[in-house]
Amino acid sequence: DTGVSQDPRHKITKRGQNVTFRCDPISEHNRLYWYRQTLGQGPEFLTYFQNEAQLEKSRLLSDRFSAERPKGSFSTLEIQRTEQGDSAMYLCASSLRTGFNFNYGYTFGSGTRLTVV
Amino acid sequence: GQQVMQIPQYQHVQEGEDFTTYCNSSTTLSNIQWYKQRPGGHPVFLIQLVKSGEVKKQKRLTFQFGEAKKNSSLHITATQTTDVGTYFCAGMVVGAQKLVFGQGTRLTINP
Repeated sequence: DTGVSQDPRHKITKRGQNVTFRCDPISEHNRLYWYRQTLGQGPEFLTYFQNEAQLEKSRLLSDRFSAERPKGSFSTLEIQRTEQGDSAMYLCASSLRTGFNFNYGYTFGSGTRLTVV
Repeated sequence: GQQVMQIPQYQHVQEGEDFTTYCNSSTTLSNIQWYKQRPGGHPVFLIQLVKSGEVKKQKRLTFQFGEAKKNSSLHITATQTTDVGTYFCAGMVVGAQKLVFGQGTRLTINP
């Protein structure tokens, strides 16, 4: 287990299609995050999980976006009825949060680049 | 909502010159983290600052956290071509559980 893995690396889809991305975090990490990054901008928070529980979802996220983390292991992010504005790099990150409320740095995956045509 | 502002947006320096990027939050932070993203790559964690007024060094990089825990800076001494990339600060608001990233400062270096 050498890092956070994301699949696929690239996805081109037609407007209106559904897409699903997968993230495999570092196994020892209990937190998993999804961020979206567009060119020239910083990562924008989408949602995060602690183990299998989805604890927060960005208010900016439309109902077309849904994320799951069954059994607290890998996670999937699904976008329904894609729009051109969904084109971006989707980054997954994992981290460890200890019982003493200490947050460690995030380890990011290489991302999935989505292009909606 | 919480905002994290970073300046400058771009910085071009001659190799060997110093570089500084500044980060300001609209709200008090419990901690601030810094990340580096190489062109075509993903953000890589550099450091976390937790205490008011904290200063940490990593070789030629010096990180500071403000006394009010609302601002931070990253200073690179004598830049090298390997320092090229975009540097992001990311703050965690007190009571929150997620990082909010700044827009980043893109550093380019003339060798």
